[in-house]
Amino acid sequence: AQSVTQLDSHVSVSEGTPVLLRCNYSSSYSPSLFWYVQHPNKGLQLLLKYTSAATLVKGINGFEAEFKKSETSFHLTKPSAHMSDAAEYFCVPSGGSNYKLTFGKGTLLTVNP
Amino acid sequence: EPEVTQTPSHQVTQMGQEVILRCVPISNHLYFYWYRQILGQKVEFLVSFYNNEISEKSEIFDDQFSVERPDGSNFTLKIRSTKLEDSAMYFCASRNEWSTNYGYTFGSGTRLTVV
Repeated sequence: AQSVTQLDSHVSVSEGTPVLLRCNYSSSYSPSLFWYVQHPNKGLQLLLKYTSAATLVKGINGFEAEFKKSETSFHLTKPSAHMSDAAEYFCVPSGGSNYKLTFGKGTLLTVNP
Repeated sequence: EPEVTQTPSHQVTQMGQEVILRCVPISNHLYFYWYRQILGQKVEFLVSFYNNEISEKSEIFDDQFSVERPDGSNFTLKIRSTKLEDSAMYFCASRNEWSTNYGYTFGSGTRLTVV
């Protein structure tokens, strides 16, 4: 079974500084992993996905993530935070017979001016 | 860009009443899901639906819940007799292949408040 651990429940950065949201996975086989973002009182938006085609995945809004098998990690990064990036971020594995998504508690990103 | 549409955006209902949450998935998608998020808690899987039948459901999805695809476009979640603890944001999602290569597209959710 697949599971992920988001190492930080809350990350706070200043506008213009880099963002790093950490995610480690545990899987007996190569997983499919997604990063979703949820802005306050909004739905869930797919940022990017890893499906074994490429280890460095570029997503929307300048985010990217690198799948590192040796470290079992899929950290989300952005070179320069913007105020609009303030939201909750979820690293989500997909698996099982119906490819359902299993959400963890997420990481709340706050961006300070 | 294609969207999953959910209506209403917010519904308030009295305890014991029936509610129907509506979703219009993306037109060429074949796999449909409902998730919910109780305020301050994790997003939880409720049910998956394919080929006009439930393919998987969680423990949350008891006899009070049902899903239906009444026509070629709508996908509904019905709660027969709502309880206070059913208050949550309900998300509909769809995907277009039986594959892990594609992420889901989520709707913007229906906030259900049971009073």
